[in-house]
Amino acid sequence: EAQVTQNPRYLITVTGKKLTVTCSQNMNHEYMSWYRQDPGLGLRQIYYSMNVEVTDKGDVPEGYKVSRKEKRNFPLILESPSPNQTSLYFCASTTRQGFYNEQFFGPGTRLTVL
Amino acid sequence: KQEVTQIPAALSVPEGENLVLNCSFTDSAIYNLQWFRQDPGKGLTSLLLIQSSQREQTSGRLNASLDKSSGRSTLYIAASQPGDSATYLCAVSSLDSGAGSYQLTFGKGTKLSVIP
Repeated sequence: EAQVTQNPRYLITVTGKKLTVTCSQNMNHEYMSWYRQDPGLGLRQIYYSMNVEVTDKGDVPEGYKVSRKEKRNFPLILESPSPNQTSLYFCASTTRQGFYNEQFFGPGTRLTVL
Repeated sequence: KQEVTQIPAALSVPEGENLVLNCSFTDSAIYNLQWFRQDPGKGLTSLLLIQSSQREQTSGRLNASLDKSSGRSTLYIAASQPGDSATYLCAVSSLDSGAGSYQLTFGKGTKLSVIP
């Protein structure tokens, strides 16, 4: 089944404790991205990757890191989480010509930073 | 920079009614527009994708139209059911000329409640 998976689905952590949210897709997509969703603000893009070893900032990259060492995986790293990063996070993927094609989203990761 | 607006923010209708959700965008130079459904606390489910060259797409009881020149799209839901209750998001794919990259811009959604 074609899908985007994220882990963990739920995470409660404390300020400053490094964490990684994994994202994996099995559709051989070149383009992957991370979004956060907050009430009243909608979905905002954090980082995206056009292909392996190619990443770039989205609209709200501060406090986040990403890497793209393999085509199927695109982990989101919070080196020193803060309470304002409490949010619902989504990973998405699409083909290289992503601007023409359908985006596929993961199930989301709900992160709480205390 | 592309901006996407969805009106109304919330809508409540009795079961069986036909309804229309609206989406507008500021930059008509888009590649496509996609409608999503999101259940509370859940992920996004793609409903319909309309390419910039298309005027409408249909899937079951759903019909999405696109008027690129006026910067508008509508999602028509026929014979609404309680199971249609969810938040509906539209997202526009376009070129961020400032950054020189592709961007997907979301509206804030319309929360639909279908009353039995």
